[in-house]
Amino acid sequence: EPEVTQTPSHQVTQMGQEVILRCVPISNHLYFYWYRQILGQKVEFLVSFYNNEISEKSEIFDDQFSVERPDGSNFTLKIRSTKLEDSAMYFCASPGLKRGGGDTQYFGPGTRLTVL
Amino acid sequence: QKEVEQNSGPLSVPEGAIASLNCTYSDRGSQSFFWYRQYSGKSPELIMSIYSNGDKEDGRFTAQLNKASQYVSLLIRDSQPSDSATYLCAVRGSGGYNKLIFGAGTRLAVHP
Repeated sequence: EPEVTQTPSHQVTQMGQEVILRCVPISNHLYFYWYRQILGQKVEFLVSFYNNEISEKSEIFDDQFSVERPDGSNFTLKIRSTKLEDSAMYFCASPGLKRGGGDTQYFGPGTRLTVL
Repeated sequence: QKEVEQNSGPLSVPEGAIASLNCTYSDRGSQSFFWYRQYSGKSPELIMSIYSNGDKEDGRFTAQLNKASQYVSLLIRDSQPSDSATYLCAVRGSGGYNKLIFGAGTRLAVHP
């Protein structure tokens, strides 16, 4: 299975602080996604990123969120001023190849964000 | 509002039995359907994808799709304790590399 990597695995921050979550998606793909999962709840779509631009975002992805591609391979999700309700697992996902079809999405291991 | 519905469970089956997991979706334009397995504290792991009506088999797993009824299911044959996890149904709408919409998941418990 193709591998998506994420860092850090766990981030603890104080409310109001900025956090940056990092992801290295499967190489040679232009599409890239961020999802989050609050403990005990559904996996929710945040944003999709295509060819260095946001292609779609959810209502959750407000002005406090931003996504960037600082270099050719890494993607970041930034939360400018964290709130308690931002505590969740954040997953990045990347389209895969072959297994099951071209539009499958493979998830990274996630970053657990804890806002105190 | 496009939704994906699953029975939250837990679904408890004995080892060696067939586990049947069900999912319904609201968007008739959906074209792609996925089953993910998620162990506690871990990320979703892709098990199966299905795009056409009918059955698709992969090892002990069989996905079934009925677009007319807007229904997707996953059968796990010869269930093992290691299959105990939450199974997430995900649906992608038509066109391009769109987002996945997830159900809340069904918790499966396979007891020896």
